[in-house]
Amino acid sequence: GENVEQHPSTLSVQEGDSAVIKCTYSDSASNYFPWYKQELGKGPQLIIDIRSNVGEKKDQRIAVTLNKTAKHFSLHITETQPEDSAVYFCAASIGAAGNKLTFGGGTRVLVKP
Amino acid sequence: EAEVAQSPRYKITEKSQAVAFWCDPISGHATLYWYRQILGQGPELLVQFQDESVVDDSQLPKDRFSAERLKGVDSTLKIQPAELGDSAMYLCASSLSDGMNTEAFFGQGTRLTVV
Repeated sequence: GENVEQHPSTLSVQEGDSAVIKCTYSDSASNYFPWYKQELGKGPQLIIDIRSNVGEKKDQRIAVTLNKTAKHFSLHITETQPEDSAVYFCAASIGAAGNKLTFGGGTRVLVKP
Repeated sequence: EAEVAQSPRYKITEKSQAVAFWCDPISGHATLYWYRQILGQGPELLVQFQDESVVDDSQLPKDRFSAERLKGVDSTLKIQPAELGDSAMYLCASSLSDGMNTEAFFGQGTRLTVV
């Protein structure tokens, strides 16, 4: 089955700096790659996603890049703010709508004011 | 804004007791998932439903776990008997699964502690 690895496990940045989280996946059939943000005591919330027919997607301060050849994708957060502090998960899914997500191990991001 | 509802939010149970979690997905979402999230790790799928049918339960420990979605709407996940290693967050998610929309929406989860 699919295996998703995520690095780093923790990331501390100064407010205003950029944060980058990287993930690799094992199954070349995966074609949907969402990123979730999870705050303490809450369920994961989708912040951005990308499909295999797109190399990059941006939404305000958040961007995701995908390299299908290398089977890795990354989350970039620019101009970080204290409210960006949370645990971020990447995930991968194979095939059509409704297929299960395989998650990475998570990255705890701390933005220091 | 439509949300996935889960209850209870927190549950403490003794080892060998039975425990049940309930999930009400977003209205109209045909696909429902139960994930287990151990502290410090990413969620792992336990069971996936498409309407009332189980699509994937390969990671569900069937000797003690059961899940049902009788009318294809809300769902119940049961553990009997609970073991210490079952302590985790149990997350329910749902998605529209109409061929265009694949986003999975998660509920707040049920935090289970087995003592």
